[in-house]
Formats: sequence, C-alpha cells, structure tokens
Amino acid sequence: EPEVTQTPSHQVTQMGQEVILRCVPISNHLYFYWYRQILGQKVEFLVSFYNNEISEKSEIFDDQFSVERPDGSNFTLKIRSTKLEDSAMYFCASRGGTGSNQPQHFGDGTRLSIL
Amino acid sequence: DQQVKQNSPSLSVQEGRISILNCDYTNSMFDYFLWYKKYPAEGPTFLISISSIKDKNEDGRFTVFLNKSAKHLSLHIVPSQPGDSAVYFCAASSGGSYIPTFGRGTSLIVHP
Repeated sequence: EPEVTQTPSHQVTQMGQEVILRCVPISNHLYFYWYRQILGQKVEFLVSFYNNEISEKSEIFDDQFSVERPDGSNFTLKIRSTKLEDSAMYFCASRGGTGSNQPQHFGDGTRLSIL
Repeated sequence: DQQVKQNSPSLSVQEGRISILNCDYTNSMFDYFLWYKKYPAEGPTFLISISSIKDKNEDGRFTVFLNKSAKHLSLHIVPSQPGDSAVYFCAASSGGSYIPTFGRGTSLIVHP
C-alpha cells in the first residue's frame, strides 16, 4: 500500500538555525498538509497546500515557516530560525482527489529537537 | 480552546471485551468525524469515519456512534485484541474543509 514517507526521522538543531523537513506524499495525491504535535499535546494543523500554493494555514504558521513542492514529488517544511518551542513531532499528510471526504494519510513524522 | 475533547487519557481493557472510547465536541458546525489510531514512532492511521447525516458506521470490529444532540461520538471495538493497543485520536471537520481538529487522544491498552 502506498505511503507517505518523511525524512529524517529525527532532527537535532541548534536554536536559531534553519531546518528543512522533507516529505514524499503518495504519488497521485493532490492535497498536502503539515501538522505538529508537541509532546503530550494534541496534533495541530499547520498548513495545507494545493495546486502549488498554500490553501489554508493556522496561526502557528507564521513568517518563520514556509512550504514548498520543489520538484513534483517532495513537499518540504522550512523553519527559518528555530526556537526552543518548535521542538515537536512534525507530521506530513496527503489526501487524494476531488469530491467526497477522503481521509488524510500521514507519514511517520520527524521528531525535531531544538537545543 | 478544545473544540474536540477526549476526557479519558487512558483506558485499560481485557482481551475479548469491548473497548469504548469517547469524544465530545463543542463546534456545532462540525459535520464529519474521524478516528485515527497511532502506534509509537508512527504517524496517525485512519480507522473509521462518520458523516453527520448518519448516527452509526460499522467496519468489522470497529463501530462509531454519533449523537449530534449531545455532541458526542464514541468508538466501539469488539472484541478487543492486544494489537489494538495504541493511542486513538478523535477528529472533526466542517464544511468540506478536510482539515480535522484533533482531540488529545486516549491511550488504549488491551491486556491478554
């Protein structure tokens, strides 16, 4: 069964550094998402992406964050200048086609640790 | 602002018995509800969903019940198996948004 893959599984970065989290969504999917889960808290929506542009974003997704689909297969989340509070699990998800409610398929996440 | 609430952080059940996981929501605009299962070191996996036009949806051992007037849904697992041990997230979305709001999750442990 096709799956969403995320790399790396764990990223350790110094505060203030830039970090790029990578995702390869399921190949025929059109909608892409990033979520994060701070330890012990709920999964929170960050941003959705469709047709090469952001379709929706949350209050968390401020100017420090950006997303890109550089080559038609990868979907990346960049945090420009990381803060301690950015430490969390980051999940990428994708969803197929048009019409009816189709559930999002999640990757296994990248654990981001900011030192 | 907890629009989706899972008030039980954990639940322990004997193998073969029924597991009932509960979820409450506050936003009356929610019209689509999902349950996700999450194992450690893995991402959430879609389990079952229900639209607000229904009050029950069944898939094998898993049944989701929706009580709109009470803004409450529940997931029943019968019979429970040790492999069902995981964190279960309730989620809800509205108006074709497809972006679910998640609860905090309930950790289910099924004892052999």
